[in-house]
Amino acid sequence: GQQLNQSPQSMFIQEGEDVSMNCTSSSIFNTWLWYKQDPGEGPVLLIALYKAGELTSNGRLTAQFGITRKDSFLNISASIPSDVGIYFCAGQLYPSSGSRLTFGEGTQLTVNP
Amino acid sequence: DTEVTQTPKHLVMGMTNKKSLKCEQHMGHRAMYWYKQKAKKPPELMFVYSYEKLSINESVPSRFSPECPNSSLLNLHLHALQPEDSALYLCASSQVGMNTEAFFGQGTRLTVV
Repeated sequence: GQQLNQSPQSMFIQEGEDVSMNCTSSSIFNTWLWYKQDPGEGPVLLIALYKAGELTSNGRLTAQFGITRKDSFLNISASIPSDVGIYFCAGQLYPSSGSRLTFGEGTQLTVNP
Repeated sequence: DTEVTQTPKHLVMGMTNKKSLKCEQHMGHRAMYWYKQKAKKPPELMFVYSYEKLSINESVPSRFSPECPNSSLLNLHLHALQPEDSALYLCASSQVGMNTEAFFGQGTRLTVV
């Protein structure tokens, strides 16, 4: 099956710093999704990307769909304490893999005030 | 409204019990999913329903039995579970097809004793 490599595995930063995380795959996707998950809660969708090369922003978040369709990154600018959580990328290749989402292993973000 | 509602939020059950998890969405989505998530790991796909028909079963043991009574509801019936089945169970929904966004519920924290 498809594998997603997400890095870094964890990050410890100071409030106000910018953050960058990325996902790479050995095969292509036609949709990339980025989620944030707080402890004991379900993942919350942050950004959806549908076209190779697409750059999309949502407030302090910016994400890009890589031109090769095998990678994506998420940037968070001017981090704040409530950014703490686990960030997951997820890729979908429809119709080959149906509605199945392939998840990265997650990036645990800690923000020190 | 991008809400997926799961009940109960917490469940403790014995290995001989029968219980059910419930999921509801009113976004008009025709794909609904069950995922299992262990601590600090990404969600693992269990089942996908597309147009109320089971389209993906990821070789899940028969002690987990999904049901999709209508386009808004998804159930997961549990019977004779093992302690290693303790996890966060997540429901999600999306449109069917390309360029879709999957939305997750807040999950049911299941503990098998």
